[in-house]
Amino acid sequence: NAGVTQTPKFQVLKTGQSMTLQCAQDMNHEYMSWYRQDPGMGLRLIHYSVGAGITDQGEVPNGYNVSRSTTEDFPLRLLSAAPSQTSVYFCASSYEPAWGYTFGSGTRLTVV
Amino acid sequence: KNQVEQSPQSLIILEGKNCTLQCNYTVSPFSNLRWYKQDTGRGPVSLTIMTFSENTKSNGRYTATLDADTKQSSLHITASQLSDSASYICVVSAYGGSQGNLIFGKGTKLSVKP
Repeated sequence: NAGVTQTPKFQVLKTGQSMTLQCAQDMNHEYMSWYRQDPGMGLRLIHYSVGAGITDQGEVPNGYNVSRSTTEDFPLRLLSAAPSQTSVYFCASSYEPAWGYTFGSGTRLTVV
Repeated sequence: KNQVEQSPQSLIILEGKNCTLQCNYTVSPFSNLRWYKQDTGRGPVSLTIMTFSENTKSNGRYTATLDADTKQSSLHITASQLSDSASYICVVSAYGGSQGNLIFGKGTKLSVKP
Protein backbone atom coordinates (compact mmCIF):
# COMPACT_ATOMS: atom_id res chain seq x y z
CA ASN A 1 0.00 0.00 0.00
CA ALA A 2 1.90 3.08 -1.27
CA GLY A 3 -0.41 5.76 0.23
CA VAL A 4 0.20 9.18 -1.35
CA THR A 5 3.06 9.34 -3.85
CA GLN A 6 4.54 12.64 -5.02
CA THR A 7 7.02 13.12 -7.83
CA PRO A 8 9.55 14.57 -8.26
CA LYS A 9 11.07 14.95 -4.78
CA PHE A 10 13.27 17.86 -5.85
CA GLN A 11 13.05 20.27 -8.77
CA VAL A 12 14.86 23.42 -9.86
CA LEU A 13 13.15 25.67 -12.39
CA LYS A 14 14.08 28.88 -14.11
CA THR A 15 11.72 31.82 -13.87
CA GLY A 16 9.04 31.53 -16.52
CA GLN A 17 9.28 27.78 -16.98
CA SER A 18 6.26 25.56 -16.48
CA MET A 19 6.04 22.16 -14.88
CA THR A 20 3.65 19.67 -13.32
CA LEU A 21 3.95 18.20 -9.84
CA GLN A 22 2.48 14.73 -9.76
CA CYS A 23 0.37 13.25 -6.98
CA ALA A 24 -1.18 9.79 -6.90
CA GLN A 25 -2.99 7.87 -4.16
CA ASP A 26 -4.06 4.25 -4.06
CA MET A 27 -6.55 4.45 -1.16
CA ASN A 28 -9.59 5.33 -3.26
CA HIS A 29 -9.90 8.66 -1.44
CA GLU A 30 -12.30 11.17 -2.94
CA TYR A 31 -10.75 14.21 -1.23
CA MET A 32 -7.35 15.45 -2.39
CA SER A 33 -5.54 18.72 -1.68
CA TRP A 34 -2.36 20.58 -2.49
CA TYR A 35 -0.54 22.63 0.16
CA ARG A 36 2.60 24.68 0.19
CA GLN A 37 4.83 25.02 3.22
CA ASP A 38 7.12 28.00 3.64
CA PRO A 39 9.56 28.71 6.50
CA GLY A 40 7.84 30.23 9.51
CA MET A 41 4.37 29.65 8.09
CA GLY A 42 1.75 26.98 8.45
CA LEU A 43 0.69 24.86 5.52
CA ARG A 44 -1.46 26.84 3.12
CA LEU A 45 -4.08 25.34 0.84
CA ILE A 46 -3.56 25.91 -2.90
CA HIS A 47 -6.31 23.84 -4.54
CA TYR A 48 -8.48 20.93 -3.54
CA SER A 49 -10.79 18.37 -5.08
CA VAL A 50 -13.78 16.50 -3.66
CA GLY A 51 -13.88 13.94 -6.45
CA ALA A 52 -13.03 13.27 -10.07
CA GLY A 53 -13.97 16.22 -12.24
CA ILE A 54 -14.45 18.61 -9.30
CA THR A 55 -11.81 21.10 -8.16
CA ASP A 56 -11.84 24.37 -6.25
CA GLN A 57 -9.45 27.07 -5.12
CA GLY A 58 -7.90 27.31 -1.70
CA GLU A 59 -6.17 30.15 0.09
CA VAL A 60 -3.29 30.73 -2.38
CA PRO A 61 -4.35 29.53 -5.86
CA ASN A 62 -2.72 32.19 -8.06
CA GLY A 63 -0.14 30.81 -10.47
CA TYR A 64 -1.32 27.22 -10.12
CA ASN A 65 -3.77 25.02 -12.03
CA VAL A 66 -5.19 21.62 -11.17
CA SER A 67 -7.39 18.99 -12.78
CA ARG A 68 -8.84 15.73 -11.51
CA SER A 69 -9.60 13.33 -14.33
CA THR A 70 -9.34 10.20 -12.13
CA THR A 71 -9.84 9.44 -8.45
CA GLU A 72 -6.19 8.42 -8.13
CA ASP A 73 -4.36 11.41 -9.64
CA PHE A 74 -4.33 15.11 -8.78
CA PRO A 75 -1.51 16.96 -10.63
CA LEU A 76 -0.54 20.54 -9.81
CA ARG A 77 0.62 22.70 -12.72
CA LEU A 78 2.80 25.78 -12.43
CA LEU A 79 2.03 27.88 -15.46
CA SER A 80 4.97 30.32 -15.38
CA ALA A 81 7.24 29.74 -12.41
CA ALA A 82 8.22 32.69 -10.22
CA PRO A 83 10.77 32.87 -7.37
CA SER A 84 7.85 33.40 -4.95
CA GLN A 85 6.78 29.83 -5.74
CA THR A 86 9.94 28.43 -4.19
CA SER A 87 8.50 26.21 -1.48
CA VAL A 88 7.83 22.66 -0.37
CA TYR A 89 4.63 21.29 -1.85
CA PHE A 90 2.55 18.60 -0.17
CA CYS A 91 -0.28 16.59 -1.63
CA ALA A 92 -2.79 15.05 0.76
CA SER A 93 -5.78 12.77 0.44
CA SER A 94 -8.65 11.75 2.69
CA TYR A 95 -11.67 9.47 2.81
CA GLU A 96 -13.40 12.05 5.00
CA PRO A 97 -11.65 15.36 5.82
CA ALA A 98 -13.07 15.43 9.33
CA TRP A 99 -11.16 12.22 10.04
CA GLY A 100 -7.79 13.53 8.85
CA TYR A 101 -5.54 13.54 5.83
CA THR A 102 -2.69 11.34 4.63
CA PHE A 103 0.18 13.44 3.31
CA GLY A 104 2.75 12.67 0.66
CA SER A 105 6.46 13.14 1.36
CA GLY A 106 6.60 16.47 -0.49
CA THR A 107 8.26 18.10 -3.49
CA ARG A 108 10.93 20.71 -2.80
CA LEU A 109 10.78 23.28 -5.59
CA THR A 110 13.32 26.03 -6.17
CA VAL A 111 12.69 28.73 -8.77
CA VAL A 112 15.77 30.72 -9.77
CA LYS B 1 -10.58 35.26 11.87
CA ASN B 2 -9.83 31.58 12.43
CA GLN B 3 -6.33 31.20 13.84
CA VAL B 4 -4.13 28.58 15.45
CA GLU B 5 -1.18 29.71 17.55
CA GLN B 6 1.51 27.34 18.80
CA SER B 7 4.16 27.80 21.44
CA PRO B 8 7.02 27.62 21.83
CA GLN B 9 8.34 28.04 18.29
CA SER B 10 11.25 25.78 19.13
CA LEU B 11 12.37 23.67 22.04
CA ILE B 12 15.51 21.76 22.93
CA ILE B 13 15.37 19.02 25.55
CA LEU B 14 17.61 16.18 26.70
CA GLU B 15 16.80 12.61 25.85
CA GLY B 16 14.61 11.00 28.47
CA LYS B 17 13.00 14.26 29.61
CA ASN B 18 9.34 15.17 29.25
CA CYS B 19 7.98 18.20 27.43
CA THR B 20 4.69 19.91 26.68
CA LEU B 21 3.75 21.79 23.54
CA GLN B 22 0.90 24.30 23.49
CA CYS B 23 -1.79 25.16 20.95
CA ASN B 24 -4.33 27.98 21.30
CA TYR B 25 -7.02 28.42 18.72
CA THR B 26 -9.81 30.75 17.73
CA VAL B 27 -11.78 28.61 15.31
CA SER B 28 -15.53 28.58 15.02
CA PRO B 29 -17.52 26.47 14.68
CA PHE B 30 -15.05 23.95 16.09
CA SER B 31 -15.09 20.42 14.68
CA ASN B 32 -11.91 18.69 15.84
CA LEU B 33 -8.25 19.22 16.68
CA ARG B 34 -5.35 17.15 15.48
CA TRP B 35 -1.69 16.95 16.26
CA TYR B 36 0.69 15.99 13.47
CA LYS B 37 4.38 15.06 13.63
CA GLN B 38 6.53 16.16 10.72
CA ASP B 39 10.02 14.74 10.41
CA THR B 40 12.53 16.78 8.42
CA GLY B 41 11.98 16.28 4.71
CA ARG B 42 8.77 14.30 5.21
CA GLY B 43 5.06 14.98 5.15
CA PRO B 44 3.03 15.40 8.36
CA VAL B 45 1.80 12.22 10.06
CA SER B 46 -1.23 12.23 12.33
CA LEU B 47 -0.64 11.55 16.05
CA THR B 48 -4.05 12.23 17.60
CA ILE B 49 -7.46 13.63 16.77
CA MET B 50 -9.93 14.96 19.33
CA THR B 51 -13.49 16.15 19.01
CA PHE B 52 -15.31 18.64 21.21
CA SER B 53 -16.34 16.01 23.75
CA GLU B 54 -12.88 14.49 24.25
CA ASN B 55 -10.38 16.06 26.63
CA THR B 56 -7.55 13.53 26.56
CA LYS B 57 -6.18 11.13 24.00
CA SER B 58 -2.99 9.11 24.07
CA ASN B 59 -0.84 7.52 21.39
CA GLY B 60 2.05 5.72 23.05
CA ARG B 61 4.28 8.32 24.70
CA TYR B 62 2.21 11.16 23.23
CA THR B 63 -0.76 12.50 25.20
CA ALA B 64 -2.93 15.29 23.87
CA THR B 65 -5.37 17.30 25.94
CA LEU B 66 -8.15 19.59 24.85
CA ASP B 67 -9.97 22.29 26.80
CA ALA B 68 -12.78 23.40 24.53
CA ASP B 69 -13.86 26.11 26.97
CA THR B 70 -10.53 27.93 26.92
CA LYS B 71 -9.75 26.78 23.36
CA GLN B 72 -6.43 25.34 24.32
CA SER B 73 -4.70 22.06 23.58
CA SER B 74 -1.42 20.58 24.68
CA LEU B 75 0.75 17.72 23.49
CA HIS B 76 2.78 16.04 26.22
CA ILE B 77 5.70 13.84 25.26
CA THR B 78 6.93 11.45 27.92
CA ALA B 79 10.46 10.05 28.18
CA SER B 80 11.60 11.71 24.98
CA GLN B 81 13.69 9.85 22.43
CA LEU B 82 16.04 11.10 19.73
CA SER B 83 13.44 10.06 17.16
CA ASP B 84 10.99 12.58 18.65
CA SER B 85 13.05 15.36 17.05
CA ALA B 86 10.59 16.84 14.57
CA SER B 87 8.09 19.64 14.06
CA TYR B 88 4.74 19.20 15.74
CA ILE B 89 1.79 20.84 14.05
CA CYS B 90 -1.58 21.61 15.60
CA VAL B 91 -4.45 21.58 13.09
CA VAL B 92 -7.98 22.68 13.91
CA SER B 93 -10.93 21.80 11.71
CA ALA B 94 -13.99 24.01 11.42
CA TYR B 95 -17.39 22.77 10.35
CA GLY B 96 -18.49 23.62 6.88
CA GLY B 97 -16.59 23.59 3.62
CA SER B 98 -16.02 20.56 1.50
CA GLN B 99 -12.36 20.17 2.37
CA GLY B 100 -12.75 20.30 6.11
CA ASN B 101 -11.70 23.91 6.63
CA LEU B 102 -8.34 22.98 8.14
CA ILE B 103 -6.45 25.73 9.95
CA PHE B 104 -2.78 24.92 10.48
CA GLY B 105 -0.52 26.23 13.21
CA LYS B 106 3.06 27.12 12.31
CA GLY B 107 4.42 24.26 14.35
CA THR B 108 6.84 23.74 17.22
CA LYS B 109 10.28 22.45 16.28
CA LEU B 110 11.48 19.99 18.91
CA SER B 111 15.11 18.92 19.16
CA VAL B 112 15.99 16.05 21.47
CA LYS B 113 19.67 15.93 22.34
CA PRO B 114 21.58 12.93 23.74
